[in-house]
Amino acid sequence: AQSVTQLDSQVPVFEEAPVELRCNYSSSVSVYLFWYVQYPNQGLQLLLKYLSGSTLVESINGFEAEFNKSQTSFHLRKPSVHISDTAEYFCAVIRMDSSYKLIFGSGTRLLVRP
Amino acid sequence: ETGVTQTPRHLVMGMTNKKSLKCEQHLGHNAMYWYKQSAKKPLELMFVYNFKEQTENNSVPSRFSPECPNSSHLFLHLHTLQPEDSALYLCASSQGSQSSYNEQFFGPGTRLTVL
Repeated sequence: AQSVTQLDSQVPVFEEAPVELRCNYSSSVSVYLFWYVQYPNQGLQLLLKYLSGSTLVESINGFEAEFNKSQTSFHLRKPSVHISDTAEYFCAVIRMDSSYKLIFGSGTRLLVRP
Repeated sequence: ETGVTQTPRHLVMGMTNKKSLKCEQHLGHNAMYWYKQSAKKPLELMFVYNFKEQTENNSVPSRFSPECPNSSHLFLHLHTLQPEDSALYLCASSQGSQSSYNEQFFGPGTRLTVL
């Protein structure tokens, strides 16, 4: 079975500071990895994904995540956050032999303060 | 309308009521999903429909009954719910396939409160 752990339920940070949201996963088979973002009163949006190739993936709004197979981690980072980054962030995995069964972590609320 | 829409956005119901949640996707997808998002818990996949056929029922109680009349519409019929069923119910859609990963697009959700 697969599982995803997001150890931090909430991360408060000041605007323009760097941030890292941690994600670790457990799986007996190879997986694809994802970060989703949920803004208040909205559904989930895909932020970035790792399917293959370079282990460092980037989003269009400055977030990046690095797949570390030995540490089974996929931490999300941003060097300088904005107020508008305040949201809930979910890490998720899919087994490579499954096309749809997303397994989510419990989420991390990023709270950016002025 | 574009993307995935859900109605109603908010619903309050008693334990003896019967109600339905509606999801519609305008993306030309063939797979649709229901998820349950409870406070402080990971999103739980409830049901999957692929080309109108149910391909996943993740041990969901029978008081939740899905219906997929066509590839664009998905319903979740609710009856005799319990207070612990209060949650955000999210619908998603993707290209239909069992053989490769397809990105799922989520609707805004229906916030359900069971009194």
